[in-house]
Amino acid sequence: SQTIHQWPATLVQPVGSPLSLECTVEGTSNPNLYWYRQAAGRGLQLLFYSVGIGQISSEVPQNLSASRPQDRQFILSSKKLLLSDSGFYLCAWNALPYNEQFFGPGTRLTVL
Amino acid sequence: AQTVTQSQPEMSVQEAETVTLSCTYDTSESDYYLFWYKQPPSRQMILVIRQEAYKQQNATENRFSVNFQKAAKSFSLKISDSQLGDAAMYFCAYKWGSNYKLTFGKGTLLTVNP
Repeated sequence: SQTIHQWPATLVQPVGSPLSLECTVEGTSNPNLYWYRQAAGRGLQLLFYSVGIGQISSEVPQNLSASRPQDRQFILSSKKLLLSDSGFYLCAWNALPYNEQFFGPGTRLTVL
Repeated sequence: AQTVTQSQPEMSVQEAETVTLSCTYDTSESDYYLFWYKQPPSRQMILVIRQEAYKQQNATENRFSVNFQKAAKSFSLKISDSQLGDAAMYFCAYKWGSNYKLTFGKGTLLTVNP
């Protein structure tokens, strides 16, 4: 069966520090991978998605970047965190024949 | 652009009763999929149910069922025999055809009263 991992689970970082969040998927190959951010209170904002190694699509201009160095690994990064980067970050995947996305447990990021 | 609207920010239900959460969407596509996700306090996003637009029959998963009205672009979730563990934020989501992305509504917070 497929599983998706995210780490760290929680992170507290000072403003201006770098960021690296990691997401890995097991039990599937060539998945589409997604990074979402959920601010306190509500909905999910799609940040990046990837349909293959080295292929990244950005949904919103921001202080973040994403990379996919391996088929089942997706990394979210920042060189200098802003207060507004605080939130809950979710990684998700989907692969045929499924059309739904499956989510990881998330990372709670607090920027102070 | 496709949009998903959940008009009920909060709902409450008594344990063992039935509750219906509303969702409407706007699309010009004919081939699409609709989903309900549940996000409990742990914040893990859990898929509850899926509906393919080409299927006329409403999807059902145990106590969860949908009322899919394609012409009205409505996709409501009915939870029967509500349990305390059903308390969560519920998100409606839409995906069209081969597009890679899901569009989410803003969510409905469901409280289950004992």
